[in-house]
Amino acid sequence: EAGVAQSPRYKIIEKRQSVAFWCNPISGHATLYWYQQILGQGPKLLIQFQNNGVVDDSQLPKDRFSAERLKGVDSTLKIQPAKLEDSAVYLCASSQLQGAWGEQYFGPGTRLTVT
Amino acid sequence: GQQVMQIPQYQHVQEGEDFTTYCNSSTTLSNIQWYKQRPGGHPVFLIQLVKSGEVKKQKRLTFQFGEAKKNSSLHITATQTTDVGTYFCAGLGGGSQGNLIFGKGTKLSVKP
Repeated sequence: EAGVAQSPRYKIIEKRQSVAFWCNPISGHATLYWYQQILGQGPKLLIQFQNNGVVDDSQLPKDRFSAERLKGVDSTLKIQPAKLEDSAVYLCASSQLQGAWGEQYFGPGTRLTVT
Repeated sequence: GQQVMQIPQYQHVQEGEDFTTYCNSSTTLSNIQWYKQRPGGHPVFLIQLVKSGEVKKQKRLTFQFGEAKKNSSLHITATQTTDVGTYFCAGLGGGSQGNLIFGKGTKLSVKP
């Protein structure tokens, strides 16, 4: 079984630039999550999709972050414009079950550096 | 809002020693999950606990969920160098549509 795929793996941008991350979840997984993991901390949920609908985006900074999951499969997360404090690893995860029950499978992440 | 606290932040042990990390929530949890993240890697699911007082074992790892469903622990017996990494607990709040709140993790280093 193929795992969660993410690209790019690394990205360096200047502040005020925009950036987009892509995620392809495990086939058949209805729930998709985007997490932000700052160095030395645990993952923090940004947004949760159930199929192509948003379940929870309460911690997404909507003035600069946006995410979509077209056709309930792949997802993209965009930051525009980026700030220095956005430097982090952005993790995508997927799961079979709804509502954060059961195992979440994480992708390798995208390490973003904002200079 | 819901908070999940994890202690200790770091633990350095000699290979063969035991290791325990503790997780405490400010609210009652529906479930608690444990993940391991190796250096440079991504979180990997270890286990989910659901029932009050539940105890589960995976080889040298023992997981407990408190009676009040507000705390949990992970105990590793006779650590090995392969146990190196950061161990996160993640709690799911009440209700049918919650999300996981991760602790800050306990970083384990094992000296051979």
